[in-house]
Amino acid sequence: KNQVEQSPQSLIILEGKNCTLQCNYTVSPFSNLRWYKQDTGRGPVSLTIMTFSENTKSNGRYTATLDADTKQSSLHITASQLSDSASYICVVSDNNDMRFGAGTRLTVKP
Amino acid sequence: NAGVTQTPKFRVLKTGQSMTLLCAQDMNHEYMYWYRQDPGMGLRLIHYSVGEGTTAKGEVPDGYNVSRLKKQNFLLGLESAAPSQTSVYFCATQGRAGRDEQFFGPGTRLTVL
Repeated sequence: KNQVEQSPQSLIILEGKNCTLQCNYTVSPFSNLRWYKQDTGRGPVSLTIMTFSENTKSNGRYTATLDADTKQSSLHITASQLSDSASYICVVSDNNDMRFGAGTRLTVKP
Repeated sequence: NAGVTQTPKFRVLKTGQSMTLLCAQDMNHEYMYWYRQDPGMGLRLIHYSVGEGTTAKGEVPDGYNVSRLKKQNFLLGLESAAPSQTSVYFCATQGRAGRDEQFFGPGTRLTVL
């Protein structure tokens, strides 16, 4: 069983709308959690990183939250744009390894 | 400043053939990684290196070998390709383990027939 589960698997929204992607993890001990954006045919690019003591981190229209007690994170995208169409990957690190979620495929339609 | 580059971008092999994927970085990073990405699954670590001349196994190392003879290059070899190795391969680099961001290359799409 994957130690990082993301939901939904895929999501379609209209341009301008907001959306929230979820990440639940069982990785322990917890070191940090990252959200990556991966455009089709490209490598992942880091959006945010949070450690145990951080419960929110923003990067423009992207806001990530972390609840280390429930082992949940979310990525909120505000006022979506067509260029937000991509896969969003949650990555949780213990002290040694990085565990990747399977990603959420987001499609933003005009 | 090219960042992380991968060669080739695409390749089709027949079962049993061999090939080498090259990852090159100009960021002077110590850590380098090879991942594979398959549909519906997260990236899985094949091998990694914590510095020139060092390599270590990741989560799915079987069927692959690596070498880090120079700090800027990390090679991934397939000695006898199998259809199960059809995947997209990503190289990544990192300055230091832990909080430092990993920078990914553009990927190599490999098909084994």
